[in-house]
Amino acid sequence: GESVGLHLPTLSVQEGDNSIINCAYSNSASDYFIWYKQESGKGPQFIIDIRSNMDKRQGQRVTVLLNKTVKHLSLQIAATQPGDSAVYFCAENYNYGQNFVFGPGTRLSVLP
Amino acid sequence: SAVISQKPSRDICQRGTSLTIQCQVDSQVTMMFWYRQQPGQSLTLIATANQGSEATYESGFVIDKFPISRPNLTFSTLTVSNMSPEDSSIYLCSVETVRGETRDFGAGTRLSVL
Repeated sequence: GESVGLHLPTLSVQEGDNSIINCAYSNSASDYFIWYKQESGKGPQFIIDIRSNMDKRQGQRVTVLLNKTVKHLSLQIAATQPGDSAVYFCAENYNYGQNFVFGPGTRLSVLP
Repeated sequence: SAVISQKPSRDICQRGTSLTIQCQVDSQVTMMFWYRQQPGQSLTLIATANQGSEATYESGFVIDKFPISRPNLTFSTLTVSNMSPEDSSIYLCSVETVRGETRDFGAGTRLSVL
């Protein structure tokens, strides 16, 4: 399939291992954060979100960690599967604004 | 989540021509958003389109280059005018989710300008 981004940072993980994808956000006033997954040929899909009053939130096989001190967000995927192969974007928002600012993206490649 | 249909899914166009991209949503939404995703880049918001009013453009994007229509609560179009190879990108339509915080996205329109 067509690549979303040809020059993105790539993380290669063995199937079954845990993945950690990192994101540095830009605005210290941002109060809402989202992780999106974008598979080849598709639009971004919502994975998980977190507000700035939390430092951790768990979903099904995914955990988002927020460190406001260093403006850092991470997405942990447990027991990574081939279907997790995609480009992952973090997005930040401030005060219910209309413009979500997207990070540069990371390509996750799951090795058999 | 909303079902968002974009047409065309991809196109190859000649320099100097224009392309209109359609976005149809299966439910009524107040705001629709148009994003650009250049090769190897992240998503950048072009404009926000509200029904019954002019679109609001982000810095670096102008109405003459990217005219937008929003005739009703389920439909919008984005036109890429007088195209150049630098306009080769994926153009994505997006809407607010029911929660009003996150965004749902269409599959995108992959545009190549020769």
